[in-house]
Amino acid sequence: EVQVVESGGDLVKPGGSLRLSCAVSGFTFSDAWLAWVRQAPGKGLEWVGRIRSKSDDGTVEYSAPVKGRFTISRDDSKNTLYLQMNSLKTDDTAVYYCSTYDSGGSGAFDFWGQGTMVTVSS
Amino acid sequence: DIQMTQSPSSVSASVGDRVTITCRTSQVIASWLAWYQQKPGKAPKLLIFRASTLQTGVPSRFSGSGSGTDFSLTISSLQPEDFATYYCQQANTFPWTFGLGTKVEIK
Repeated sequence: EVQVVESGGDLVKPGGSLRLSCAVSGFTFSDAWLAWVRQAPGKGLEWVGRIRSKSDDGTVEYSAPVKGRFTISRDDSKNTLYLQMNSLKTDDTAVYYCSTYDSGGSGAFDFWGQGTMVTVSS
Repeated sequence: DIQMTQSPSSVSASVGDRVTITCRTSQVIASWLAWYQQKPGKAPKLLIFRASTLQTGVPSRFSGSGSGTDFSLTISSLQPEDFATYYCQQANTFPWTFGLGTKVEIK
């Protein structure tokens, strides 16, 4: 059974930094493409970024609102995905979800974590 | 960016009703369209991928259709557990984008 568990959400001041983690189990992590999706309170879903597997060149893509401030990385030895968030803004307040992306089959986000809340406020 | 126009934004329906949600994209995306269901306080759940393929374990009352720029999700006979918000999403072109969602409410 695939399990996705995010952690690291917290209350942080504008301009601050935070790192989220996502532990994935139940399949071959190193082969997985992974993504972050966020949801502001009462709003819809917003794609944040995606990282390919290292065997598929490990390329990372970001959405415009976070490009240059957020960094997605992975540690295949720990089966963990990271989201380093710098220069945080109040607009970054959201539940952050980690998901697997099935590049070779569905072309969709097939397994999701429960989310971790990030609040940016003074 | 590809804009996703999802309609209606909300629908009020009864158990047993047939419900159809549409999603129109601003550019052709072939069949790289997925549908998700989200219940309050929970993570989204993949229902349909590649426009019309049912994810494993999803009841057959859910179906998807369309290609190009016009897509739809149909629930053939609404069940109590189907009251939720539904999102379409394209993975054809970066940035990947979601529709604004359709809330299916109890009539």
